[in-house]
Amino acid sequence: EPEVTQTPSHQVTQMGQEVILRCVPISNHLYFYWYRQILGQKVEFLVSFYNNEISEKSEIFDDQFSVERPDGSNFTLKIRSTKLEDSAMYFCASSEAGAGTTQYFGPGTRLTVL
Amino acid sequence: SQQGEEDPQALSIQEGENATMNCSYKTSINNLQWYRQNSGRGLVHLILIRSNEREKHSGRLRVTLDTSKKSSSLLITASRAADTASYFCATDAWGLTGGGNKLTFGTGTQLKVEL
Repeated sequence: EPEVTQTPSHQVTQMGQEVILRCVPISNHLYFYWYRQILGQKVEFLVSFYNNEISEKSEIFDDQFSVERPDGSNFTLKIRSTKLEDSAMYFCASSEAGAGTTQYFGPGTRLTVL
Repeated sequence: SQQGEEDPQALSIQEGENATMNCSYKTSINNLQWYRQNSGRGLVHLILIRSNEREKHSGRLRVTLDTSKKSSSLLITASRAADTASYFCATDAWGLTGGGNKLTFGTGTQLKVEL
């Protein structure tokens, strides 16, 4: 069964450094998402992406964050200058359509900012 | 209070028993989905129920949706130790005023099934 994959599984970085989290969505899906989950808290929406542009973003997704689909398979989340409070599990998800269809999540990347 | 509150926060049962988890939400929705998360792992999709549906089954799972009460329940029958996980409801407001397809997650119920 097709699945969303994410790399790396765990990323440790120093505060102020840039990180890029990578995702390979399910191949025939058209909508892509990033969510994050701070330890012990709810899963929070960051951004959705369709047709090579951001379709929706949350207040969390400020100028330090950016997303890109550099080729036909990868979907990336970049954090330009990481802060301690960016430490969280970051989940990528994809869906076939946007009309309230099932979103399939990847296994996550645990980001630790020191 | 926030969109998507599950109760109970934690539930401990014996293997073979049924587990019921509830989710309440505040605003109108298009769909409600249930996900499972094993400790420190990714989110596994369990079931999606649309706002015009009242009940849905998948294997040992039964989900109900009451839009008049803005609530949903997830029933796991004949639970197994492998069902031990956190369970989350997530709503979207696709097609509704101001709604997109982002998911708004609840706080989750931690289920522990003991042998």
